[in-house]
Amino acid sequence: QSVLTQPPSVSGAPGQRVTISCTGSSSNIGAGYDVHWYQQLPGTAPKLLIYSNNNRPSGVPDRFSGYKSGTSASLAITELQAEDEADYYCQSYDSRVQWVFGGGTVLTVL
Amino acid sequence: EVHLLESGGGLAQPGGSLRLSCAASGFTFSTYAMSWVRQAPGKGLEWVSAVSGSGSKTYYADSVKGRFTISRDNSKNTLYLQMNSLGVDDTAVFHCAREGVGGHGPHVDYWGQGILVTVSS
Repeated sequence: QSVLTQPPSVSGAPGQRVTISCTGSSSNIGAGYDVHWYQQLPGTAPKLLIYSNNNRPSGVPDRFSGYKSGTSASLAITELQAEDEADYYCQSYDSRVQWVFGGGTVLTVL
Repeated sequence: EVHLLESGGGLAQPGGSLRLSCAASGFTFSTYAMSWVRQAPGKGLEWVSAVSGSGSKTYYADSVKGRFTISRDNSKNTLYLQMNSLGVDDTAVFHCAREGVGGHGPHVDYWGQGILVTVSS
């Protein structure tokens, strides 16, 4: 069981908006540690999507955005495209166990 | 361009050992902390170990503490992971990862493609 909790799957039609939640606790997200998001396309290595809660690395479309509040965070994807179909992981730091990842969310574009 | 290339994976017997290497290029290796992150078949990501830029500080997940040793050779721009007492639960793709700078808490800004480690008799 992962320290950070994500929904196993989400889906949406092209053009729609979807969100993926990431729930932690007072020893990680709630302690003020940043949340980061990774996208893993099928058969490839993960790629940094959002860092430090709401920052996009160069080259990541502004359709992707992050939000953090309290002990939770979320990733929003607007104008959903077929190429967004992937696994998404949140990650933070925990004062007890160091690096922590969410269990991952499979995004299906209908 | 940042490039991370893992090698040294393969098949190991339970109780055996393997040494992974990660050749880094495209950045000043010694100025970045590095990590290993693994992914068991069909499962999620699990952080394994990290090392500071100088190599003086090392960190381990509880699941590998006492069995795995992370190290680096900054003169060769290479990261290592010595894995001993391997168990079937260590079967995974191991990714070499560069840690991004800034913010409050570590993250990965570049990932290697990964190398498969299979532990089986």
